[in-house]
Amino acid sequence: GAGVSQSPRYKVAKRGQDVALRCDPISGHVSLFWYQQALGQGPEFLTYFQNEAQLDKSGLPSDRFFAERPEGSVSTLKIQRTQQEDSAVYLCASCHAAGCTDTQYFGPGTRLTVL
Amino acid sequence: AQSVTQLDSQVPVFEEAPVELRCNYSSSVSVYLFWYVQYPNQGLQLLLKYLSGSTLVESINGFEAEFNKSQTSFHLRKPSVHISDTAEYFCAVSASDNYGQNFVFGPGTRLSVLP
Repeated sequence: GAGVSQSPRYKVAKRGQDVALRCDPISGHVSLFWYQQALGQGPEFLTYFQNEAQLDKSGLPSDRFFAERPEGSVSTLKIQRTQQEDSAVYLCASCHAAGCTDTQYFGPGTRLTVL
Repeated sequence: AQSVTQLDSQVPVFEEAPVELRCNYSSSVSVYLFWYVQYPNQGLQLLLKYLSGSTLVESINGFEAEFNKSQTSFHLRKPSVHISDTAEYFCAVSASDNYGQNFVFGPGTRLSVLP
């Protein structure tokens, strides 16, 4: 069956450039999470959607980061005016239930490198 | 808020030897506990989880973990490792209340199985 997919898998951006990262969750999954994983670290929470509603964006590191899920399925994480410290793997995860205290299903991630 | 500590950043072990990867957590509320594995160039996959019931949980590939509430630990063990177990292992904690950013990951332990 189809899992969580993310595109692009790799993205190289020049400092100051805007980027958009896409996540296709498992069909029917209510909850969607974005995480940032720096090299050698565990994933760190960025934001959480329940259907189309962004219920928690407390993990977004600055106002340059913006996420949306307008129809409650596909989600896009946008980073404006990228900086070198934004270089990381961006992970998307989904789960069937609202709140998602149980298993999350992860995509392969998008590796962003900002030069 | 929850936090997770994985004391060992790297664990080298010879093939067929036993291994223990340590995980300790802190939380003011009841939690669910997880181990995720990340093989090279792949996304995170759920290895095993503790939600309730028996404190000893097992995975299909021979790993097991035991929830110890008094020691706030959820160590991962395998009696005999294989080369194919080489990967990054992440312990994660989730609060049992229904809230978005309730998944917190540890920094990870890199298991290297040597021939």
